Amino acid sequence: DAGITQSPRHKVTETGTPVTLRCHQTENHRYMYWYRQDPGHGLRLIHYSYGVKDTDKGEVSDGYSVSRSKTEDFLLTLESATSSQTSVYFCAISTLGTGEHLHFGNGTRLTVT
Amino acid sequence: AQSVSQHNHHVILSEAASLELGCNYSYGGTVNLFWYVQYPGQHLQLLLKYFSGDPLVKGIKGFEAEFIKSKFSFNLRKPSVQWSDTAEYFCAVISSASKIIFGSGTRLSIRP
Repeated sequence: DAGITQSPRHKVTETGTPVTLRCHQTENHRYMYWYRQDPGHGLRLIHYSYGVKDTDKGEVSDGYSVSRSKTEDFLLTLESATSSQTSVYFCAISTLGTGEHLHFGNGTRLTVT
Repeated sequence: AQSVSQHNHHVILSEAASLELGCNYSYGGTVNLFWYVQYPGQHLQLLLKYFSGDPLVKGIKGFEAEFIKSKFSFNLRKPSVQWSDTAEYFCAVISSASKIIFGSGTRLSIRP
């Protein structure tokens, strides 16, 4: 398996609190992605990065911000968590950004109460 | 903005039946198209891809897909499904900016 670690694996937080999820890779891949997976919606792209300090919005970026100060780390921050952000969050990495070799982390299950 | 639509949310078939799952995309530029499969409890795996050339592409496990540009479609097919094909299937489109957008998925259940 590609070296992708997501932390934490599970988190319960209260509405209104900030939350940061971390994706760490050891593959030196250029492209990193944050998705959320919800029943009936599949995987929805939140933000992605095409290099250090280079990020762009996805389909559902409102309420989320990201940072990538190092190749290996891509952080997803929920500025003020809401119940609608309860989901499973997946990080993915790709060396070429072409979709052929897209590797996913094990996910973070976030519950906002 | 690019988007992907999968209209079949849940498909139930008997073994040996033929399969076709629909995928339509919306994007004005050059796209790369993919089908991924997610077996229960596992990560997404790449089934097949289309970049250019022959619009009929073959993937793993007997799956194939046809790119029809005029219909903005990339439907997935398999002539004869097996119980082991029970999974969720995702169509994806990738723009030139490497933004990877997935459809909402189709859950396939196979009756033994």
